[in-house]
Amino acid sequence: EIVLTQSPATLSLSPGESATLSCRASQTVSNNLAWYQQKLGQAPRLLIYTASNRDTGIPARFSGSGSGTDFTLTISSLEPEDFAVYYCHQRYYWPNTFGQGTKVEMK
Amino acid sequence: QVQLVQSGAEVKKPGASVKVSCKASGYTFTDYNFHWVRQAPGQRLEWMGWISTDNGDTKYSQKFQGRVTFTRDTSASAAYMELSSLRSEDTAVYYCARETSYSGYYYPYYWGQGTLVTVTT
Repeated sequence: EIVLTQSPATLSLSPGESATLSCRASQTVSNNLAWYQQKLGQAPRLLIYTASNRDTGIPARFSGSGSGTDFTLTISSLEPEDFAVYYCHQRYYWPNTFGQGTKVEMK
Repeated sequence: QVQLVQSGAEVKKPGASVKVSCKASGYTFTDYNFHWVRQAPGQRLEWMGWISTDNGDTKYSQKFQGRVTFTRDTSASAAYMELSSLRSEDTAVYYCARETSYSGYYYPYYWGQGTLVTVTT
């Protein structure tokens, strides 16, 4: 099974600052990786698909990069609504897997 | 508009089984496949598996293999997840999620509202 390791576990930042979230796969997943945002009590929301493509309606401050085993989600200037938990998700191999999440919290 | 409506919360005793339904509307049911994902209280998302709505093929996480069964009823536009031999660690919110295609890549996109399953004596 592919293990996705996200770091850091928690990011404490202020609005306006930028956030850099990492997701490392135990084997290559090519570019078949997505990023989700989850707010408390809500279902996840897809932000980025195939590593670097923003879904429709996702603000341009969200960007994804990487391929193979190392991926990054960057939020260029945090808005109050961006404080949430972010998960990476690979669909390259069965079973599909999620990372353990990175919580972006307000400092 | 696409809607996924899941069945209501369940309370079960250890050793029992639970079956969660996910009724879809707003599109042709067999055009997209489903994932099941669970989340224990305060914990991470956990991928349980996938079902093809077209032919019923399934893929399961090894963690749940032998205890979980996914089915679908195309006439009812519904997908189902049954988990047996429940233990307290299975207490979680269970989500169904429908895929969407991005140029041949498929990701869970539309999510049900979640079903809380509580396993307690």
